[in-house]
Amino acid sequence: AQSVTQLDSQVPVFEEAPVELRCNYSSSVSVYLFWYVQYPNQGLQLLLKYLSGSTLVKSINGFEAEFNKSQTSFHLRKPSVHISDTAEYFCAVSNNAGNMLTFGGGTRLMVKP
Amino acid sequence: DGGITQSPKYLFRKEGQNVTLSCEQNLNHDAMYWYRQDPGQGLRLIYYSQIVNDFQKGDIAEGYSVSREKKESFPLTVTSAQKNPTAFYLCAIASGGDLNTQYFGPGTRLTVL
Repeated sequence: AQSVTQLDSQVPVFEEAPVELRCNYSSSVSVYLFWYVQYPNQGLQLLLKYLSGSTLVKSINGFEAEFNKSQTSFHLRKPSVHISDTAEYFCAVSNNAGNMLTFGGGTRLMVKP
Repeated sequence: DGGITQSPKYLFRKEGQNVTLSCEQNLNHDAMYWYRQDPGQGLRLIYYSQIVNDFQKGDIAEGYSVSREKKESFPLTVTSAQKNPTAFYLCAIASGGDLNTQYFGPGTRLTVL
């Protein structure tokens, strides 16, 4: 069985400040890791993913996440946030069978002017 | 997102009625999934299908039914046996070449009165 814990349900931050959204997982097998973003009343959009290779992965809009196997973490970071980054962020883990995505409870990022 | 459509966006039904939610894709992806999202929570898997005419139960299949008669369509029926059907329903797809990465539709918000 696998599980995902997002330690913060809400993260308030001022515009242009750095932010880290924390994600820890547990699994007995190799995993693949994902961050999704959800804007109000919309579906989830894939932000970035780790399947293999470099442990540091980046998105096109300035987010990055680092896979840390020893700490079983996949924290999401951005050095300077914008108002438009306000959304719900979900961390997810998949086993190597490719048919089960397990989601964390989500973190609501609130960027204030 | 993109080639995934869910209709309608908002749906209202009276208690005790069955209702069918539509999910269509034109990306020729093999796998399709249904998730349920409740306020302030992550997503939970209802059913998934990796090939036509075959589908598997997820974590919360009770009170739901699906069919996969065509590759591009995976409708979900919420039956009267589902005790708490009001939720946001999300459909996702994945390619046979990368079953680990799922892409989501815009969602249908079902309210049972």
